[in-house]
Amino acid sequence: QKEVEQNSGPLSVPEGAIASLNCTYSDRGSQSFFWYRQYSGKSPELIMSIYSNGDKEDGRFTAQLNKASQYVSLLIRDSQPSDSATYLCAVNVPPRGSGAGSYQLTFGKGTKLSVIP
Amino acid sequence: EAEVAQSPRYKITEKSQAVAFWCDPISGHATLYWYRQILGQGPELLVQFQDESVVDDSQLPKDRFSAERLKGVDSTLKIQPAELGDSAMYLCASSLALGLADPYNEQFFGPGTRLTVL
Repeated sequence: QKEVEQNSGPLSVPEGAIASLNCTYSDRGSQSFFWYRQYSGKSPELIMSIYSNGDKEDGRFTAQLNKASQYVSLLIRDSQPSDSATYLCAVNVPPRGSGAGSYQLTFGKGTKLSVIP
Repeated sequence: EAEVAQSPRYKITEKSQAVAFWCDPISGHATLYWYRQILGQGPELLVQFQDESVVDDSQLPKDRFSAERLKGVDSTLKIQPAELGDSAMYLCASSLALGLADPYNEQFFGPGTRLTVL
């Protein structure tokens, strides 16, 4: 089982609609979750972080976290053509074993979103 | 606006040649990461530095890849010799992690270096 799973898409939504992007993760010890937006040929850009169960809103973006279900989602309201990109879900996976170590940011493969004018 | 700087932005090389990438993190960020991203995949960690020390290089192919951060600021990633399978985007990221066990650190990426090996 992959540590972070996303539907690869493409997900197509009409302009003005709500786009819903989903992500599941396998390590129950994970405490922080991130969404990155990546335009074609560009590097990932951090758009949302969420640490607690529930919703976190920032402008047109809402991140949702359910640790019991190991599920993270990103909602984009009033989708615009400029939102067309690949959205990467990333989870900070805790160190393995009993020794000291660092959290490792683990990415899904990304969901490609197309917003149709 | 503080940004991670990387150079070059694009690199084309022939297999068996040596290549090097440079990264300058956001000022004050002690933690620096090198990732490799193959088309259609998410970034995968190659090496992590805390100041000048390597924290995690378990996924770095050490027979051909090396990384250093001598003064704890900027960093260089080298591949020698390059192979066809090394063609990818090489990304540098930095974070203001409060320590190795900080689960909340946010990572910010530079523009990346697109490597093509012919």
